Amino acid sequence: DAGVTQSPTHLIKTRGQQVTLRCSPKSGHDTVSWYQQALGQGPQFIFQYYEEEERQRGNFPDRFSGHQFPNYSSELNVNALLLGDSALYLCASSPGTGGYGYTFGSGTRLTVV
Amino acid sequence: AQKITQTQPGMFVQEKEAVTLDCTYDTSDQSYGLFWYKQPSSGEMIFLIYQGSYDEQNATEGRYSLNFQKARKSANLVISASQLGDSAMYFCAMREGRNYQLIWGAGTKLIIKP
Repeated sequence: DAGVTQSPTHLIKTRGQQVTLRCSPKSGHDTVSWYQQALGQGPQFIFQYYEEEERQRGNFPDRFSGHQFPNYSSELNVNALLLGDSALYLCASSPGTGGYGYTFGSGTRLTVV
Repeated sequence: AQKITQTQPGMFVQEKEAVTLDCTYDTSDQSYGLFWYKQPSSGEMIFLIYQGSYDEQNATEGRYSLNFQKARKSANLVISASQLGDSAMYFCAMREGRNYQLIWGAGTKLIIKP
């Protein structure tokens, strides 16, 4: 049973560019959340998608946007990249009914130069 | 104010000893959940244990147990008989009420010495 799959694993981008990160949830999960984890810190919630809609958003600028597809997979898009966007981006999937069944992927490490 | 506080940036523990990782939380919600995750150098967040605010007994999962003291708003993780493979970052997190996000502490880096 596949867990959460994220791609790519590593990415290097230049300031001002745009990036798209992808996430496939665990089988049976229909909700996807995205987190940003800067080096040496705990993760920060970006947003959560459920039924192809953004259900909740954290304190991130509009440069961060997302999408969820009918097969529950999700994308995170970041426009106009800043050096401060360099981080590990984690995707977590869970059942739509909530509870505590969060399963995380291994993350995408984004470096902005 | 910090919602989740982990006061131990790093800990060294001898193999086979028990270790307690501290976590205090701050919330005004009556319904909330507390989580502990392990993050090895590979980056993946591995779920360890969960405690609901209405759970009367402390949660246990194998070698992991959660010392939940509601009045003190603490949820310490206890790892019994530590192993070399336990070396990793450990994060405490909370979900409040009907909020969907997890709020995280800064983590504790645990190193197990042989």
